[in-house]
Amino acid sequence: GQSLEQPSEVTAVEGAIVQINCTYQTSGFYGLSWYQQHDGGAPTFLSYNALDGLEETGRFSSFLSRSDSYGYLLLQELQMKDSASYFCAAHGSSNTGKLIFGQGTTLQVKP
Amino acid sequence: DADVTQTPRNRITKTGKRIMLECSQTKGHDRMYWYRQDPGLGLRLIYYSFDVKDINKGEISDGYSVSRQAQAKFSLSLESAIPNQTALYFCATSDPQNRAGELFFGEGSRLTVL
Repeated sequence: GQSLEQPSEVTAVEGAIVQINCTYQTSGFYGLSWYQQHDGGAPTFLSYNALDGLEETGRFSSFLSRSDSYGYLLLQELQMKDSASYFCAAHGSSNTGKLIFGQGTTLQVKP
Repeated sequence: DADVTQTPRNRITKTGKRIMLECSQTKGHDRMYWYRQDPGLGLRLIYYSFDVKDINKGEISDGYSVSRQAQAKFSLSLESAIPNQTALYFCATSDPQNRAGELFFGEGSRLTVL
């Protein structure tokens, strides 16, 4: 089967750094995306890794290791507004939004 | 105005009723998707369409049907709703030129089946 595993909850303090891990088991893997969702609102795209290594976008970075079937999202200089759910999602084909999502990690940022 | 608009935003219905959730988009994207979200289960793909004449089943299509009326419109139907179809439903679009397959989601339609 196809599945992605990520922690259900993470807590950190404002200004800190937090890493959300994601391990996957999928067939035909093309890449890993990350989405952010606030309080049941619309998920929004954060990043995409097709190749091994680190992708940086402002305070957020995402990493992929295909050999380990593993990726992570790194959030730096945490702000209260970063409190949200974060989903990793595996691509079974290129250039499409046909994704297998993890169950999501709820990040709580405390003052 | 939102680029991806879903109606209704909230709906309560009874078991056995037919329900249609509608989605329209102004992003000009050919590709459209319907996802379902349940607490603790993330999002799961119900159906997707890569153009007006293309309809494909996703991970959990049983009990659902779709219609792609135009490039901008993609509706999801539950022919006979059942309580375990209570969920938050999201429509999304993507641009085939975008290598990340970035999804642009609507605000969601919360469906409760009693």
